[in-house]
Amino acid sequence: GAGVSQTPSNKVTEKGKYVELRCDPISGHTALYWYRQSLGQGPEFLIYFQGTGAADDSGLPNDRFFAVRPEGSVSTLKIQRTERGDSAVYLCASSPSELPYNEQFFGPGTRLTVL
Amino acid sequence: DAKTTQPNSMESNEEEPVHLPCNHSTISGTDYIHWYRQLPSQGPEYVIHGLTSNVNNRMASLAIAEDRKSSTLILHRATLRDAAVYYCILRDTNTGNQFYFGTGTSLTVIP
Repeated sequence: GAGVSQTPSNKVTEKGKYVELRCDPISGHTALYWYRQSLGQGPEFLIYFQGTGAADDSGLPNDRFFAVRPEGSVSTLKIQRTERGDSAVYLCASSPSELPYNEQFFGPGTRLTVL
Repeated sequence: DAKTTQPNSMESNEEEPVHLPCNHSTISGTDYIHWYRQLPSQGPEYVIHGLTSNVNNRMASLAIAEDRKSSTLILHRATLRDAAVYYCILRDTNTGNQFYFGTGTSLTVIP
């Protein structure tokens, strides 16, 4: 079956611009997670959705970052006024539920480069 | 959040067993121990998880210490395709279901 997909795979933008990154989770998965991974580091948690609501957004670094999941499926991570320090791979994962023993299925990521 | 400590890197010969250690001395009773791995230029993939008892699946085995303060991921016969960064993660339902990945162990498999 189809796994988690993310678009675009690569995004190059200029400092100060607005970007949107899309995640299509596995069908039927209620939990969705966004992570950010800088070079040489492990993924860093950003936000977690259970259904349509953001159950935990404590990892979002500042108010330039925002994410939505309006119908409980596709999610969009939005970054306003991008900065060079936002350059990273943004990973999305989905899970059948939020239970602690459930596996997270990761997408291939979107590589964001801010010039 | 309870955190984990892993060696930065390890090497193994192909077709030899590999034991990847993880310390989690501040683990709580509700924490599950998860292992994920990340191949180059890919997203992380699930390997195995456990709570108290040792676990086996087709990919690996997980040995959990009796006091749960450490665990070991065992790859029974390393292949070149096992070269990846391996992350030991504690899943804590009391703090919003976050995964804290840390920097992991980079495994090199020598042909």
